[in-house]
Amino acid sequence: EAGVAQSPRYKIIEKRQSVAFWCNPISGHATLYWYQQILGQGPKLLIQFQNNGVVDDSQLPKDRFSAERLKGVDSTLKIQPAKLEDSAVYLCASSSEFGEAFFGQGTRLTVV
Amino acid sequence: AQSVTQPDIHITVSEGASLELRCNYSYGATPYLFWYVQSPGQGLQLLLKYFSGDTLVQGIKGFEAEFKRSQSSFNLRKPSVHWSDAAEYFCAVGARDSSYKLIFGSGTRLLVRP
Repeated sequence: EAGVAQSPRYKIIEKRQSVAFWCNPISGHATLYWYQQILGQGPKLLIQFQNNGVVDDSQLPKDRFSAERLKGVDSTLKIQPAKLEDSAVYLCASSSEFGEAFFGQGTRLTVV
Repeated sequence: AQSVTQPDIHITVSEGASLELRCNYSYGATPYLFWYVQSPGQGLQLLLKYFSGDTLVQGIKGFEAEFKRSQSSFNLRKPSVHWSDAAEYFCAVGARDSSYKLIFGSGTRLLVRP
């Protein structure tokens, strides 16, 4: 069974630029999560999708972050414009109905 | 709302010694509970999970955890630590309602002395 795929693995951008991350979940998983993990901290939930609907986006900075899930499968997370404090690892995870989440390798974003 | 507390930021143990990592959660009903491990530069790997039934759950790599409802705890244990266990460990609580929201603690970094 293929795991959660994320790309790119690494990205370096200047502040005020835009960036997008892509996630392909495990086939058949209805729930998709995006987490932000700042160095030395635990993953913080940014947004959660159930199929292609948003379940929770209470911690998503909506003035600069956006996310969508296309046809209930792939998802993209975008930051525009980026700030220095957005430097972090962005983790995508997916789960079946039982809530056991499987994680991708993450995208390490550095904003300079 | 769910929340998770991991009170220990760092723990250092000698190789071969026993290990216990603490996790306390807050949730209005019986939650789903998880322990994940993260090695440097890697994603999170599931060690074990509790959904229901036996409160002592076994996981991979010789880890186990015990759910104690009265203490709102889900501590991770291993009887004999190996050097390869050095990593960051995260406890997570999942909602049992239809949202399946999954919230993580701040993590405990495990260092293993030779």
